[in-house]
Amino acid sequence: GIQVEQSPPDLILQEGANSTLRCNFSDSVNNLQWFHQNPWGQLINLFYIPSGTKQNGRLSATTVATERYSLLYISSSQTTDSGVYFCAAVNSGGSNYKLTFGKGTLLTVNP
Amino acid sequence: DTEVTQTPKHLVMGMTNKKSLKCEQHMGHRAMYWYKQKAKKPPELMFVYSYEKLSINESVPSRFSPECPNSSLLNLHLHALQPEDSALYLCASSQDPGSSYNEQFFGPGTRLTVL
Repeated sequence: GIQVEQSPPDLILQEGANSTLRCNFSDSVNNLQWFHQNPWGQLINLFYIPSGTKQNGRLSATTVATERYSLLYISSSQTTDSGVYFCAAVNSGGSNYKLTFGKGTLLTVNP
Repeated sequence: DTEVTQTPKHLVMGMTNKKSLKCEQHMGHRAMYWYKQKAKKPPELMFVYSYEKLSINESVPSRFSPECPNSSLLNLHLHALQPEDSALYLCASSQDPGSSYNEQFFGPGTRLTVL
């Protein structure tokens, strides 16, 4: 099956700093999602981005499908941005249901 | 409304108990999923229902029994669980797995503790 790798595994920032999270995937995808898991366990949808660039407020994401990676940018970080960020992908050659998650990036934003 | 609801939020059960987790969505989605998430790990797929039929069982032990009574509801029946089954159980739904757009939306989860 598809492999999804995220980096860095951990990231500590001061409030107001910018950051870039990376997601590499091993095969072509027809679904790529970024999630933020809050301390209570809720997975919040950030982006559905199998290709191209999207922006939502302080967050933006870019997926370069031909090079098999996606980037999540967080600007002017806030303490509420803390939590685990997951990238997850569906292999276009496999089941359309099976979302494979990376191991996540644990982000801590200090005041 | 992109909401998936799950009940209960927390559940503590003994190894001989029978309990059920419930999941509901009113987005008209035709695929529903159960995931299991252990601490500090990513979610792992357990089951997928598509158009109310079981499509994927990721070799889950029979002590977990899924049920999809209708297109809006998904249950997970639990029986004779082991302490290692303690985890966060997440439900998700997506619009139409046959289409090119198949974004999954997750519920808040049920945190299960097996004593």
